Amino acid sequence: DAGVIQSPRHEVTEMGQEVTLRCKPISGHNSLFWYRQTMMRGLELLIYFNNNVPIDDSGMPEDRFSAKMPNASFSTLKIQPSEPRDSAVYFCASSLGRGSYEQYFGPGTRLTVT
Amino acid sequence: AQTVTQSQPEMSVQEAETVTLSCTYDTSENNYYLFWYKQPPSRQMILVIRQEAYKQQNATENRFSVNFQKAAKSFSLKISDSQLGDTAMYFCAFTDSGGGADGLTFGKGTHLIIQP
Repeated sequence: DAGVIQSPRHEVTEMGQEVTLRCKPISGHNSLFWYRQTMMRGLELLIYFNNNVPIDDSGMPEDRFSAKMPNASFSTLKIQPSEPRDSAVYFCASSLGRGSYEQYFGPGTRLTVT
Repeated sequence: AQTVTQSQPEMSVQEAETVTLSCTYDTSENNYYLFWYKQPPSRQMILVIRQEAYKQQNATENRFSVNFQKAAKSFSLKISDSQLGDTAMYFCAFTDSGGGADGLTFGKGTHLIIQP
């Protein structure tokens, strides 16, 4: 089975530009999570979805960040406009949902904003 | 809010030695789940081992085992017969639900280096 798929793997953009990160969870998984990893703050939960519904977005740093999950097989994390401090590795993870606690992580997207 | 603390930023041991990574957490919940994740240079997050708080028996996965002390809120990872491929960042993580439906809270990580 294919694991969690993220695209792109690397993204370099200029400050002010819109950035869209994409995630395809493992088929059959009902929960999807977006995390951000930086040297300063470590791994932080940004937002998560259960059955395509956003449950908790309290980790989203600013209104410049938004996430959607239009269907069970696709999610996006958008930053508009991007800033240099958004540079980080962004991970998507999925799991079967309540009662199953193992989260499977994608390979991450390394975002660099210049 | 739950917090997870890893007090060892970096550790280095010789191949074949045993090493223990420490983790403490803070929660008011009684039922929760603890994890250790490994992140090698490839940056892929790999689940190493998990422990349910209601289970008294410590989890074991081959060379990896945990020492779970619920009263002390301590969750250390022991790696026996360490191998060069164990070199990686190790993160302790916590969730107070089934974990599958709520997010994980991570510690800052321990960089483990296995020397040949």
